[in-house]
Amino acid sequence: SFELTQPPSVSVSPGQTARITCSGDALTLQFVYWYQQKAGQAPVVVIYKDTERPSGIPERFSGSSSGTTVTLTISGVQAEDEADYYCQSSDSSGSWVFGGGTKLTVL
Amino acid sequence: QVQLVQSGAEVKKPGASVKVSCKASADTFTNYHINWVRQATGQGLEWMGWMNPNSGATGYAEKFQGRITMTRNSAITTADMYLSSLRSDDTAVYYCARAGNSGFDSWGQGTLVTVSS
Repeated sequence: SFELTQPPSVSVSPGQTARITCSGDALTLQFVYWYQQKAGQAPVVVIYKDTERPSGIPERFSGSSSGTTVTLTISGVQAEDEADYYCQSSDSSGSWVFGGGTKLTVL
Repeated sequence: QVQLVQSGAEVKKPGASVKVSCKASADTFTNYHINWVRQATGQGLEWMGWMNPNSGATGYAEKFQGRITMTRNSAITTADMYLSSLRSDDTAVYYCARAGNSGFDSWGQGTLVTVSS
């Protein structure tokens, strides 16, 4: 198996840009998915296949990839974006792994 | 979009087994893998395994090998996850999730499993 590494926390003020990174050696080969989880709720996918945004997800959410690091960017952060964010990827055997999660605090 | 409805909370003693069920609201699972993910209180998401509802094929995370079994009913409307030899650190919320084209795009509401003597 492999590991995905995220920063434990990120803090931004409303209207600023939040960037959450996810690093892993296998990320050059596999897609990454990003999930938002608010307290007491199931996760929701906000970015899939590195850069794609599902319908219903605001345009301020975007994803990018460079080498072994992928980044979730939230432009113009709003108070409602305060949540835990998890990256996810798979290995060649079809096993999935989640990053440790990043708590986004909107100051 | 498929809605997944899970069975209710469980309280088990150490060493016991638990079954958590996941039912599709209006359609079957047939075209997508069903995955199970758990989350201990205040902790991150932990992937446990997948099942192909059509074939019944499964793949389990190495950590749970030997303790976990995933099955589906003959009508392929319900997926079950069995976890045996429960320990206190198995206390968590267990989710089923469908692996669609955009990732895990549908999740159950979660089932709290508490392991306590």
